[in-house]
Amino acid sequence: RKEVEQDPGPFNVPEGATVAFNCTYSNSASQSFFWYRQDCRKEPKLLMSVYSSGNEDGRFTAQLNRASQYISLLIRDSKLSDSATYLCVVNRFSAGKSTFGDGTTLTVKP
Amino acid sequence: NAGVTQTPKFQVLKTGQSMTLQCAQDMNHEYMSWYRQDPGMGLRLIHYSVGAGITDQGEVPNGYNVSRSTTEDFPLRLLSAAPSQTSVYFCASSSSRDRGGSPLHFGNGTRLTVT
Repeated sequence: RKEVEQDPGPFNVPEGATVAFNCTYSNSASQSFFWYRQDCRKEPKLLMSVYSSGNEDGRFTAQLNRASQYISLLIRDSKLSDSATYLCVVNRFSAGKSTFGDGTTLTVKP
Repeated sequence: NAGVTQTPKFQVLKTGQSMTLQCAQDMNHEYMSWYRQDPGMGLRLIHYSVGAGITDQGEVPNGYNVSRSTTEDFPLRLLSAAPSQTSVYFCASSSSRDRGGSPLHFGNGTRLTVT
């Protein structure tokens, strides 16, 4: 079993739709969590950190459930520019490294 | 600040050749790492470092060497290139100050083709 698993996708949604991605992690020692966005195999860019209390940044909401070991990302009012691959990332401080999920591809259509 | 700088951007090698991918960061980050990304797949960790003089293997280390003689630089060496090493390589750095809570900063990537 992979350490970080994401919804396989792809997700094809119309503009204005709400879409949610889930990610599960297997190592309970994981300490910090992020969502990254990657366009056309360019370098990943940080979308948002994920906090235990949940956090929101405009149309994006991230949630963390430590008991169930999953992370979610909700995108409201999807825009064409949201089309990208979304990567779930889990850090373990003691290991000094990050583990990536395989990514979920989102295509927003007019 | 330049952030994380990777060179070269593109490289074509013949099977058996060796080369070094360069990575430098100017943010005084303790953690640095190398990932490869194959088509349709996520990023897989090759090697990583938690500080100068300290390196460790990631998920896919075979065929690669690293060293970390300074905080700024973390080169990745391909010892004898193979077609299976055709991939996009990303270098990343992060700070240890937030106890694992700091996000990764990526270089622009190196697109390597081995023929």
